[in-house]
Amino acid sequence: DTAVSQTPKYLVTQMGNDKSIKCEQNLGHDTMYWYKQDSKKFLKIMFSYNNKELIINETVPNRFSPKSPDKAHLNLHINSLELGDSAVYFCASSQSRAGTGELFFGEGSRLTVL
Amino acid sequence: AQSVTQLDSQVPVFEEAPVELRCNYSSSVSVYLFWYVQYPNQGLQLLLKYLSGSTLVKGINGFEAEFNKSQTSFHLRKPSVHISDTAEYFCAVSEPGTYKYIFGTGTRLKVLA
Repeated sequence: DTAVSQTPKYLVTQMGNDKSIKCEQNLGHDTMYWYKQDSKKFLKIMFSYNNKELIINETVPNRFSPKSPDKAHLNLHINSLELGDSAVYFCASSQSRAGTGELFFGEGSRLTVL
Repeated sequence: AQSVTQLDSQVPVFEEAPVELRCNYSSSVSVYLFWYVQYPNQGLQLLLKYLSGSTLVKGINGFEAEFNKSQTSFHLRKPSVHISDTAEYFCAVSEPGTYKYIFGTGTRLKVLA
């Protein structure tokens, strides 16, 4: 059983398109995250939800919109894709008191914008 | 604001040799510290973490790290590496009471036969 699963794993699309990445966790965690990993492996936090409430919203273009329909799901929708959006997007979840818990990561969704 | 510095972008080391991967952090408050490993085409997984207590923390796969508050460091060590330890290693910091985990830029450990 995969703890944090993301779909799709690979996504190739044209500039200007809209795409979504879905994430589900079966760990019963309260907090979920989206991280972006660029080609140099740098990991940057984008968003975090705790009990379906947005708690972290970093400086991300408003073309990116997260949605958390319930505690177990956090989706990422991206409008008007640009070349610079090409990256690996990781979903993660955690439990425990804020900042103390281990992050459990999905396997990543590699987005390529042509 | 917190930040994490991993000065070594790549560390080549021969099999069975010891290794140290360096991590320094910057924060005006107490922090929690983590090391994660990322194997090719996979997500990150936790190696070890420091929340409080003993400054020497032992993790999985024979890794350990030492928290040094005066030097604001949390270096990762392994006395004898294996080929299978070849991966990207990330140091991360979080601030108590927040949900924000900040990652360093990663160190690529390459173990040579």
